[in-house]
Amino acid sequence: DAGVTQSPTHLIKTRGQQVTLRCSPKSGHDTVSWYQQALGQGPQFIFQYYEEEERQRGNFPDRFSGHQFPNYSSELNVNALLLGDSALYLCASSLTALWTAGGNTIYFGEGSWLTVV
Amino acid sequence: GIQVEQSPPDLILQEGANSTLRCNFSDSVNNLQWFHQNPWGQLINLFYIPSGTKQNGRLSATTVATERYSLLYISSSQTTDSGVYFCAAPGGTYKYIFGTGTRLKVLA
Repeated sequence: DAGVTQSPTHLIKTRGQQVTLRCSPKSGHDTVSWYQQALGQGPQFIFQYYEEEERQRGNFPDRFSGHQFPNYSSELNVNALLLGDSALYLCASSLTALWTAGGNTIYFGEGSWLTVV
Repeated sequence: GIQVEQSPPDLILQEGANSTLRCNFSDSVNNLQWFHQNPWGQLINLFYIPSGTKQNGRLSATTVATERYSLLYISSSQTTDSGVYFCAAPGGTYKYIFGTGTRLKVLA
């Protein structure tokens, strides 16, 4: 049973560039959430995708956008990169039926380490 | 919105020692999760524990929802237990709010 997979694992970008990060959810899961974790901090919720639509968003600017594909995989895009975007980007996989039941266990991938120089 | 606080922020133990990590949350919640983040960054689920007590090997967790706290117990600690421990509570319908973590270092 494949877990949550993310790519790339590490990347370095220059200020002003754009980046795309990818995530494949755990088998059987239909919901993907993205979190940003700055050094020394806990993960911060960016947004969640279900049925190919963004259904909840955290406090992040429009430079952060995403997409979910019919096979439930997802991409996170960040435009006009800033030095402050340097962080670990985590994808979390879950099942929406359990969210609406009042609780859900979420599973994380290994993350993508982004450095902006 | 809900706030999640963890203590202590840092903990250094000798191998074999026991420890208790605490998570306080500001509002009532219908679930709570504990994670271990390894040195390579991956977050591993330890417990999904909205209330009561669960045990998994040397680890156990207790959530007292009415008093808005959860505890993670680590017994007979090993060097592989090192890393950062996070608790997370729902901060809305579809997102989790994470605490700032407890950084644990277990010395051989």
